[in-house]
Amino acid sequence: AQTVTQSQPEMSVQEAETVTLSCTYDTSESDYYLFWYKQPPSRQMILVIRQEAYKQQNATENRFSVNFQKAAKSFSLKISDSQLGDAAMYFCAYRSEITGTASKLTFGTGTRLQVTL
Amino acid sequence: AAGVIQSPRHLIKEKRETATLKCYPIPRHDTVYWYQQGPGQDPQFLISFYEKMQSDKGSIPDRFSAQQFSDYHSELNMSSLELGDSALYFCASSPWTGGGKKAFFGQGTRLTVV
Repeated sequence: AQTVTQSQPEMSVQEAETVTLSCTYDTSESDYYLFWYKQPPSRQMILVIRQEAYKQQNATENRFSVNFQKAAKSFSLKISDSQLGDAAMYFCAYRSEITGTASKLTFGTGTRLQVTL
Repeated sequence: AAGVIQSPRHLIKEKRETATLKCYPIPRHDTVYWYQQGPGQDPQFLISFYEKMQSDKGSIPDRFSAQQFSDYHSELNMSSLELGDSALYFCASSPWTGGGKKAFFGQGTRLTVV
């Protein structure tokens, strides 16, 4: 079974600064997807960014980028130019790429990000 | 763009009552997932469906059942409700293939059992 670990329960960043959220995972599979989801106080789960394991290039979405280290099974999220609206709980998630299955998302325990003025 | 629609948004039930949660996936998404998120916890997978057939099962109590209908909407039926069932219930949908298998979540149904 796959596991996802987020070792930082809480992080804080000043507005306009950069912050990196850590995530490690454990799997014996070679093909999979990794995601970061954001959950603001409204508790809506919002997809932030996705990485395919077969791609070496790190995914980027505007101010959000990842550092994917497949050998180390590490998948960190970097938020640049942090904004007040980035304050939320961030979940790292793993999804298997097994043909023929509606593979579920396995979530980490989350990192609560606080953005200060 | 159309999103995943869940209803109701809020639900209050008494112990031992029954609740039905509904989920309408994004058009052309044929796969639906249900998750349960307790206070301060990460979402826990309950069950998934593809083309109206159950695809995977997680930590779903026997008191719960779910199905996916011909129009791809899904319903989660919860019977003999317990206080511990109070949680936020998410539905997510994704395409079976393509789209990078991105799963998009609805806004959730907040169930309170009193």
